[in-house]
Amino acid sequence: AQKITQTQPGMFVQEKEAVTLDCTYDTSDQSYGLFWYKQPSSGEMIFLIYQGSYDEQNATEGRYSLNFQKARKSANLVISASQLGDSAMYFCAMREAEDSNYQLIWGAGTKLIIKP
Amino acid sequence: NAGVTQTPKFQVLKTGQSMTLQCAQDMNHEYMSWYRQDPGMGLRLIHYSVGAGITDQGEVPNGYNVSRSTTEDFPLRLLSAAPSQTSVYFCASSSLGPLHFGNGTRLTVT
Repeated sequence: AQKITQTQPGMFVQEKEAVTLDCTYDTSDQSYGLFWYKQPSSGEMIFLIYQGSYDEQNATEGRYSLNFQKARKSANLVISASQLGDSAMYFCAMREAEDSNYQLIWGAGTKLIIKP
Repeated sequence: NAGVTQTPKFQVLKTGQSMTLQCAQDMNHEYMSWYRQDPGMGLRLIHYSVGAGITDQGEVPNGYNVSRSTTEDFPLRLLSAAPSQTSVYFCASSSLGPLHFGNGTRLTVT
């Protein structure tokens, strides 16, 4: 069974609109961490935001926020006021606490295209 | 502040050739790893290391070797390149926070 599921292979969003990228996860650990990365067409992997399973508040980093719903096991990325430069692949990843080797489990990604 | 440095950026190999992808980090991270990224797929872990002298296999280790003689360096060796190893390769390092990635190596095996 997949541990990280990103159900949107691709999305088109109008510039300046908010966008939500979906991520659901599966783990039996009580302690885990969730990450979002951005990969623009240039290819580099850029860390965006992190949410710990015990964090009571949703993580925010500038225009990025993470809508963390623990009971539903979802960790959706919200980008407010989208910009053309937000066009990229976005990956959700999880680190389980029982894995002491820092490994991340990755989703297949969502390709986001911002339309002018 | 170099972060994670990967070389080369591009490489073309013929089937059966061997080569080493270089990775170095200057953040004193104990954890380093190699991933491959294929179209339409997420990152798949090849090998990883939790410190100098310690390496282990990830999800797709066949055809690759690694070593970790220093904290800074974590080279990935392709022993006998195959067309199935055509991919983009990323090296990454971390402490307990997020992974820091190199800029990737695009490898084509003909």
